[in-house]
Amino acid sequence: AQSVTQLGSHVSVSEGALVLLRCNYSSSVPPYLFWYVQYPNQGLQLLLKYTTGATLVKGINGFEAEFKKSETSFHLTKPSAHMSDAAEYFCAVGAAGNKLTFGGGTRVLVKP
Amino acid sequence: NAGVTQTPKFRILKIGQSMTLQCAQDMNHNYMYWYRQDPGMGLKLIYYSVGAGITDKGEVPNGYNVSRSTTEDFPLRLELAAPSQTSVYFCASRPRKTGAGDEQFFGPGTRLTVL
Repeated sequence: AQSVTQLGSHVSVSEGALVLLRCNYSSSVPPYLFWYVQYPNQGLQLLLKYTTGATLVKGINGFEAEFKKSETSFHLTKPSAHMSDAAEYFCAVGAAGNKLTFGGGTRVLVKP
Repeated sequence: NAGVTQTPKFRILKIGQSMTLQCAQDMNHNYMYWYRQDPGMGLKLIYYSVGAGITDKGEVPNGYNVSRSTTEDFPLRLELAAPSQTSVYFCASRPRKTGAGDEQFFGPGTRLTVL
């Protein structure tokens, strides 16, 4: 079985400040890890993913995430928030199989 | 490519009515999925399919049915709508490349209200 926990259902950041969204997972096999973003009234879009290899993964729009096996974490960061980053962000884990398990989501508010 | 398309965008149903949510993809993806999204709960998998003629239950299948007669289409059927089925429904598809590490592509969603 696999599960995902996202700490904080809402995060508020000032424009230009660091964005940090936390994700912890559990998986009985080496995981594949994903971050998706959902803009208002839209479907989910892939930000980045970790499958194998380099543990620091860079995605679109300046986001990156680091896979830390010892901490079972895959936190998402962006050095400088932009107003267009206001959205809901979902962490997901996939293992050997065909399905993804999603976290509860973190809604990001960016203050001017 | 249109990607993953869903119809309708919005729908209001009365308790006990039935309806079909349509999903189609034009990327020749083998895998297709139906999720529901409720506030603070993330996405929960309802049903999925690994190819035409093959479907399987996800985490929350009760009250729903699916079929997959073609690679392109994966409709979701609600037979007796209940207020608990008020949600936003997303369809997604995935290619059959390396496996679980492949990205899922999502449709724009259907917002369903059952009154």
